[in-house]
Amino acid sequence: DGGITQSPKYLFRKEGQNVTLSCEQNLNHDAMYWYRQDPGQGLRLIYYSQIVNDFQKGDIAEGYSVSREKKESFPLTVTSAQKNPTAFYLCASKYQTNTEAFFGQGTRLTVV
Amino acid sequence: GENVEQHPSTLSVQEGDSAVIKCTYSDSASNYFPWYKQELGKGPQLIIDIRSNVGEKKDQRIAVTLNKTAKHFSLHITETQPEDSAVYFCAASKESGGYQKVTFGIGTKLQVIP
Repeated sequence: DGGITQSPKYLFRKEGQNVTLSCEQNLNHDAMYWYRQDPGQGLRLIYYSQIVNDFQKGDIAEGYSVSREKKESFPLTVTSAQKNPTAFYLCASKYQTNTEAFFGQGTRLTVV
Repeated sequence: GENVEQHPSTLSVQEGDSAVIKCTYSDSASNYFPWYKQELGKGPQLIIDIRSNVGEKKDQRIAVTLNKTAKHFSLHITETQPEDSAVYFCAASKESGGYQKVTFGIGTKLQVIP
């Protein structure tokens, strides 16, 4: 079955540590996105990538980094520079046309 | 840039009643308007969408209307059921430099009371 998979579902991190969230899709989508979701704030764009080896900052990129070495994969690293990393992170992918995005099931990151 | 406002932020209805969620957008270049449903602990899923060349679209109990002149669009759910309880997001999308820029509303938490 085609889809977009995020892992892990829950992640705990100690302050000062970097952590990487995985996002894989087998939908043959060119574009991939990372969003952060906080209560009462909707979905905020962190980074996006339209093609392999290219990515752009979204609205809240500070403290995050990404890579796009393969079409299927778009991992997000939450660095120690992110001051308030506890949140629900969503990955999405879509074709390079003005159509719907497909979302993963999300990763809930908690800093302890 | 685009600004999408969504209201209400929370909505409670009795089972069987209708629910309406409204969104406004600011950029007249936006031409694709999807609605997503997000159940607790899951990612959003598309439930219906509409393009700017259409004024209304219906899929069983769900309908969306679009008023381009007023720059607002609405989601209508009829005969609500408890499984409709979720957070609903509207979005406005346009092509921008080869990239489809999507702006989401803040979300509406719908509770259907049995």
